[in-house]
Amino acid sequence: DAGITQSPRHKVTETGTPVTLRCHQTENHRYMYWYRQDPGHGLRLIHYSYGVKDTDKGEVSDGYSVSRSKTEDFLLTLESATSSQTSVYFCAIRGHQSSYNEQFFGPGTRLTVL
Amino acid sequence: AQKVTQAQTEISVVEKEDVTLDCVYETRDTTYYLFWYKQPPSGELVFLIRRNSFDEQNEISGRYSWNFQKSTSSFNFTITASQVVDSAVYFCALSEEGTGNQFYFGTGTSLTVIP
Repeated sequence: DAGITQSPRHKVTETGTPVTLRCHQTENHRYMYWYRQDPGHGLRLIHYSYGVKDTDKGEVSDGYSVSRSKTEDFLLTLESATSSQTSVYFCAIRGHQSSYNEQFFGPGTRLTVL
Repeated sequence: AQKVTQAQTEISVVEKEDVTLDCVYETRDTTYYLFWYKQPPSGELVFLIRRNSFDEQNEISGRYSWNFQKSTSSFNFTITASQVVDSAVYFCALSEEGTGNQFYFGTGTSLTVIP
């Protein structure tokens, strides 16, 4: 258990509304990641962070922004949600020491945009 | 181009049969890491194994075994004597040194073990 929680776990929203998903970790991991999972695509990286206020884009970053003001929290924001952003969102952390090249995932957030 | 290919979308086997899940990867890096994750029906992603590019030894863990072959860029996963609890979606992933540990996932193989 890497101490990762995501909130909310489920959300239904309407097109055009802003949405923020939160990833929280308790073990001082430096690297954090946001992925989306869609049928036929596996998991795809949206954004990642390599420290407080240090973030970078992933493969599918359009329409998403992130913020990391504290080590323990990594926020994913959809400024104006669209139906194509209906997905399951996973947060992940990079492990420590012997697990440094591994990623461990949170429980996921199921987002539906109507 | 897809960096990780899992050509088998769905597989069904009868309990106690052996099953192999294929994974082919593509990279130009000399240092990279390969992974398998399991996603049971409950939805969480469970880490199974990591393999480093400089270590081609195959690995066995109970009923699970992994065959890493650099010559064919493959990292296949075999479940021996499958059980109903093995029913899940399995993902293969690649991480390249120097990309911030960015992972590239395959599209997954859905395994159903029939009792």
